[in-house]
Amino acid sequence: EAGVAQSPRYKIIEKRQSVAFWCNPISGHATLYWYQQILGQGPKLLIQFQNNGVVDDSQLPKDRFSAERLKGVDSTLKIQPAKLEDSAVYLCASSSSVSSYNEQFFGPGTRLTVL
Amino acid sequence: AQKVTQAQTEISVVEKEDVTLDCVYETRDTTYYLFWYKQPPSGELVFLIRRNSFDEQNEISGRYSWNFQKSTSSFNFTITASQVVDSAVYFCALSMGATGRRALTFGSGTRLQVQP
Repeated sequence: EAGVAQSPRYKIIEKRQSVAFWCNPISGHATLYWYQQILGQGPKLLIQFQNNGVVDDSQLPKDRFSAERLKGVDSTLKIQPAKLEDSAVYLCASSSSVSSYNEQFFGPGTRLTVL
Repeated sequence: AQKVTQAQTEISVVEKEDVTLDCVYETRDTTYYLFWYKQPPSGELVFLIRRNSFDEQNEISGRYSWNFQKSTSSFNFTITASQVVDSAVYFCALSMGATGRRALTFGSGTRLQVQP
């Protein structure tokens, strides 16, 4: 079974530029999460999708961050414009709605550096 | 609000020593799930264990064991006879039991260094 795929793995941009990250969850997983992990900290939820609907985006900085999950499969996270404090690893995770345990499977992450 | 505290920022041990990683959580929910994840230098989070709030039995898996105590809101993780390959950052996490909002709340992690 293929795991969660993310691209790109690394991205370096200058502040005020735009950037987009892509995530392909495990096949059949209805729930998809985007987390932000700043160096030295634990991951923090940005947004949770159930199929193509948003369940929780309370911690998403909506003035600059946006995310979508068209057709309930792949997802894209965008930052526009980027700030220095957005430098972090962006992790995508997915889980099966059937499981009551909510075991989440994580992708390798995208490491973003904002200069 | 949920919160997970991992007070130990970094632990260094010599190979074959036993080590315990502490985790204390806060939640108002009566149904919740606790997790431990390992993050090796490669960066990918690796699932280790989950526990639901109704199951306080301790669990042992090889050199790993977990002690869940609701009375002290703790879910500690012990590695017996540590090995160099255990070097990683370990995260404790909590999720609600309610259907739908099951995102993980992570602690800040404990970096474990096992010296040969």
